[in-house]
Amino acid sequence: DTGVSQNPRHKITKRGQNVTFRCDPISEHNRLYWYRQTLGQGPEFLTYFQNEAQLEKSRLLSDRFSAERPKGSFSTLEIQRTEQGDSAMYLCASSLPGEGAKAFFGQGTRLTVV
Amino acid sequence: KQEVTQIPAALSVPEGENLVLNCSFTDSAIYNLQWFRQDPGKGLTSLLLIQSSQREQTSGRLNASLDKSSGRSTLYIAASQPGDSATYLCAVFGGSNYKLTFGKGTLLTVNP
Repeated sequence: DTGVSQNPRHKITKRGQNVTFRCDPISEHNRLYWYRQTLGQGPEFLTYFQNEAQLEKSRLLSDRFSAERPKGSFSTLEIQRTEQGDSAMYLCASSLPGEGAKAFFGQGTRLTVV
Repeated sequence: KQEVTQIPAALSVPEGENLVLNCSFTDSAIYNLQWFRQDPGKGLTSLLLIQSSQREQTSGRLNASLDKSSGRSTLYIAASQPGDSATYLCAVFGGSNYKLTFGKGTLLTVNP
């Protein structure tokens, strides 16, 4: 499978626990994005990497959130001290460089904080 | 700040009908526009991508148009089928940043 891969697909955690999600982009895609989607809403931008450099972070990304992309390959998104408001679908996308590049999305990680 | 609006929010049609979904955006300085399909609880599947220099793109029963100057796009679905039932999302890329900005989507139900 050469698509964008996200793990785990589902995560249930207790409030206050830390969680980490992983995204494996399509190989050779140097851009990688994280989005968050709540029920009935479109995805909202969280952060963006070009290779290993994190170039932009949304104000939605509080200091409890951190994302990394070591060596410009896979990426992780960690949420510390989870809150019920963090419950959402977390989507990862990747693309080639260039303004016209098409974005390819993974199947997402559904987080439920209880 | 780029804002994307999709109308209608929901649409229910009988099988076989042709339909149009609408998308508008506030900042016309975009690089491209993508239409996505999302099934319940799933990720996004790209349907069509229109570059800023293009007016339309077609794939099978789908046709998407772009009028960049007026900030509008439409997705036309011909001869709708129950399998087309899903949420359709419009997203614009670029302008003042290198990210996709999404609308809230149109929930389409095609009744057999």
